[in-house]
Parts: sequence; structure tokens; C-alpha cells
Amino acid sequence: AQRVTQPEKLLSVFKGAPVELKCNYSYSGSPELFWYVQYSRQRLQLLLRHISRESIKGFTADLNKGETSFHLKKPFAQEEDSAMYYCALNRCRNNNDMRFGAGTRLTVKP
Amino acid sequence: NAGVTQTPKFQVLKTGQSMTLQCAQDMNHEYMSWYRQDPGMGLRLIHYSVGAGITDQGEVPNGYNVSRSTTEDFPLRLLSAAPSQTSVYFCASSMGRVNEQFFGPGTRLTVL
Repeated sequence: AQRVTQPEKLLSVFKGAPVELKCNYSYSGSPELFWYVQYSRQRLQLLLRHISRESIKGFTADLNKGETSFHLKKPFAQEEDSAMYYCALNRCRNNNDMRFGAGTRLTVKP
Repeated sequence: NAGVTQTPKFQVLKTGQSMTLQCAQDMNHEYMSWYRQDPGMGLRLIHYSVGAGITDQGEVPNGYNVSRSTTEDFPLRLLSAAPSQTSVYFCASSMGRVNEQFFGPGTRLTVL
């Protein structure tokens, strides 16, 4: 069965330190992967998606099909990056069946 | 544009009661979805729709019904509420499968 695993529920780093939020998936087809973020008192919003191969707010994520991973990285964390981060997988070409991981709460300390 | 709107924001039900959570979007999106968010479990897909008149089940559909008579609206019905349905419910819409999903503000539901 398709599944998205975020092994860390909580992650804490100091400002300026590198940060990596892990995401592993299990899916037999070609996955479409996303990172969504929810800042305090804001709506859940898209951070980035693997097909765009873009960097948003300094974050990047590379799809590694061999390791079935889509880890989110930022070289220098900022306090405003503190939020809940969700990795998500869209599992089928012909529908909109999206599966989310349990989320990682990132805290960036001053 | 209002984006994705959800009503009500909060609701308390007794076991066995029924109710409808409303979701509307004004972006002319074909795709709409309902999720529930529970502590430690992330978001789980309940039902989704890829266009008016087309709906399908997600990961946790039991106890919920949906319909999509218009592009704008995608209501979620709880037929007979149970305490296990206590959760925060989010509606989302997108232009397509690989496009960004826009989320509503959520409805916090408590079933006693």
C-alpha cells in the first residue's frame, strides 16, 4: 500500500543551522510528491513540489527514487521557518488521491 | 476572491446526530477534497472529486457522504456522528492533480 512516512514528529535546530526534514514513501508507480507547510494560525499551503524542481524560501527537495525519499532541506534555518511540515504523495495518474505523512513540527531557536 | 471557505468553524454534536460541513471555492477548480486531521496522524483523505458529478472514496470514507452538484460546492455529510469522528476537517481545491491544493480554514468538530 502507498504510504508516506515522516520519521520525526519534532525537530529543533538553532537559527543559521542546516535543517533536513525527512520523508520516505512507498509506492509502486511514479510518485508525485509535495511538501506543504502550516505556519501558526495560517492555512496549510504548498511549499514545493518535485515536478517543479524549484527552491522556495530557501528550501529544496530532491526525489530519490532509489531510496524512495523526498527530504526537505535548507542550508540556513530562520526563525520564521518554525512550522508544521507535511510531505504528501499523489498516488495515481487518473485521480486526486493524495496521501499525507503525519507531519514534522520544526522549531528554529534563536 | 475568497478562495476556499468552510462553515461552520466549530461544531459540537451528540452521538447519532447528522450534519453537513459546507465547503465552497470561487476559483473554478475542478478538483476538491475533504481531509480530517488528527494528532499524530497528519491529514487523511476522506473523499474527493475531480469534477461536478464525480466523486470517489479516499483513505477513510466510512461514515461520510459527499456529492458534487456544482463546481463551486463540495459538502461533507456525517450520517450518524460518532465520537471517533471528532477531528478537524479541511476542504481543499486545485486546478488539477499535480497543481497546488488550496486549503480552507478548517472546521473543528467534537462529537460527544
